Formats: sequence, structure tokens, C-alpha cells
Amino acid sequence: ETGVTQSPTHLIKTRGQQVTLRCSSQSGHNTVSWYQQALGQGPQFIFQYYREEENGRGNFPPRFSGLQFPNYSSELNVNALELDDSALYLCASSLTNEQFFGPGTRLTVL
Amino acid sequence: KQEVTQIPAALSVPEGENLVLNCSFTDSAIYNLQWFRQDPGKGLTSLLLIQSSQREQTSGRLNASLDKSSGRSTLYIAASQPGDSATYLCAVEKGGSEKLVFGKGTKLTVNP
Repeated sequence: ETGVTQSPTHLIKTRGQQVTLRCSSQSGHNTVSWYQQALGQGPQFIFQYYREEENGRGNFPPRFSGLQFPNYSSELNVNALELDDSALYLCASSLTNEQFFGPGTRLTVL
Repeated sequence: KQEVTQIPAALSVPEGENLVLNCSFTDSAIYNLQWFRQDPGKGLTSLLLIQSSQREQTSGRLNASLDKSSGRSTLYIAASQPGDSATYLCAVEKGGSEKLVFGKGTKLTVNP
């Protein structure tokens, strides 16, 4: 059984650009959640996908969007990047209650 | 709105000491509580999951307790080791939504 994987590991973008982050869920997990973790803070919930449909959203603007594919892998897209978007982006997959996190993507916006 | 607080923000102890990390939450209507470990710049590793109907969970040297009515959880680490040095995060889930609300974490340093 493979764990949750994310790509890329690190990414540097400039303000105004767009970025796509990818997540491969743990085998058999049909729910994926995305979190943003700023330096020194706890992760903040962005949104969740269940069987390819958005299933809840946190307090993030519409320029944060996502997709979940039939194989339950997922993408997080961020448009019009701002400096404050610099953070560690984590995805988590789950089948029941327990959430399993990937290693994260470190995004730096210059 | 659910808020999760972890005290202390940082803790430094000598190797071999037993220690307790604290987590409190404002809304007692939680589905479960999960403790995670995070190494610098890395993802989260799940340590213990306590369902709302449970009072504690144990794994090796770790023991987590949950008192829903008072909105508190503790993580007890026995015989601490330098390898335990990391940030420990607690998170609560409301109503089976699988959406977690996290505290800011406690940064633990265990000195040899």
C-alpha cells in the first residue's frame, strides 16, 4: 500500500502567476482534503473532494480551486498568486475518519 | 467557530523525562481528535486518533486522553528521546466531516 504523495516538492513563482499542485491519494481512499500551512501556524483547511465533487470549502477565495480525478488523485490550482500564498500546501486522503497526509509542497511567491 | 489552542508553544526537556502536551478546543461537539507529529518542513505523521466516544488511546510511549465535556486533550510522552524532537499538532474533526481544525502546535526539543 503506497502512502500519499505530492508533487512538486518545492516551487518558486512570482506574483500574478498561476500554479498547479498535485496529490496522489493513498490506495482506496476516496476523500482528499487540501490544507495551507503558513510558517509557524497550524494547517488551515482549503477544501475537500469526495468522489470527484467538492465537499466543503474553508475561508479561501475562489482563485483557489481544485479537481479530483476518477483514480482519486487531486490537483490544487491557485490563480493570480499573492505574496501571502507562500506556504506549505498539504493534501490528506482518507477513507473513514483517520487522515493521512502527504509530505507537502513548499510554494514560495516572490 | 471552533478554535484549538495548544500550550505550551515550545518545550525543552532533558532526555528521559516524561512530559505532557496540552490541547483545548472551544466547541465540544467534535467527532474525533487526532494528534500529529511534524518534522521541520515536512508533512504530518498521524500519531493517535481518539473517537469522541473514547477517553484515551495508547501507542508505545505515547498516550492521548480526551475530555470532551471540558474541551481538553493531553498527549503524554514517556521517557522522551532526542528523536521525539518535533512539532506536535492536535486537530479536531466536527460531525464526521473529515475537515480538521488545527492548533498551532507545540515545538518539542529533547536534549541529549
